[in-house]
Amino acid sequence: KNQVEQSPQSLIILERKNCTLQCNYTVSPFSNLRWYKQDTGRGPVSLTIMTFSENTKSNGRYTATLDADTKQSSLHITASQLSDSASYICVVSEGDYKLSFGAGTTVTVRA
Amino acid sequence: DVKVTQSSRYLVKRTGEKVFLECVQDMDHENMFWYRQDPGLGLRLIYFSYDVKMKEKGDIPEGYSVSREKKERFSLILESASTNQTSMYLCASSGARARDYQETQYFGPGTRLLVL
Repeated sequence: KNQVEQSPQSLIILERKNCTLQCNYTVSPFSNLRWYKQDTGRGPVSLTIMTFSENTKSNGRYTATLDADTKQSSLHITASQLSDSASYICVVSEGDYKLSFGAGTTVTVRA
Repeated sequence: DVKVTQSSRYLVKRTGEKVFLECVQDMDHENMFWYRQDPGLGLRLIYFSYDVKMKEKGDIPEGYSVSREKKERFSLILESASTNQTSMYLCASSGARARDYQETQYFGPGTRLLVL
């Protein structure tokens, strides 16, 4: 069973609207959590990274939150643009080489 | 900027063929990784290497082998391709220090392999 579950699987939003993606994990021990953006036909690119002691991290219009107690993270996209259309992947690290990847949320932004 | 390149974007092979996928990184990273990505599943680690000529199995090494003869190059080999190896293959590199896995992984563009 995947230790990182993301929801929704996909969503469609209108340009300039906001959206929030969810990530729940059971990975333990926990070292850090990353959100990656993967454009179609490309490899994933890191957006944010948070360690156990951090509960929010921003990168432009992307804001990630982390609740290490409930093992939940979210990625909020503000004022979406067409270029935000991509798959967003939650990745949890146990501290060694082992990364646990979520299946991703596919976001489609429409004009 | 970190650059990770993969030798092919698309490959079509026949069952039983030997397949080589090559990955090159230009950041002097010690660690390199091969993943496969399938719809509805997260990326799954096939093999990784933390130094030249060193390799370790990931979660799904069966049917694959790897080679790291030079620091910048990490090859994935399918000795006898099968249809269930049809997938997107992603290479990544990280870390200025061997086994420093806390460093962000930088991914290549991926190779989409179709085995007929």
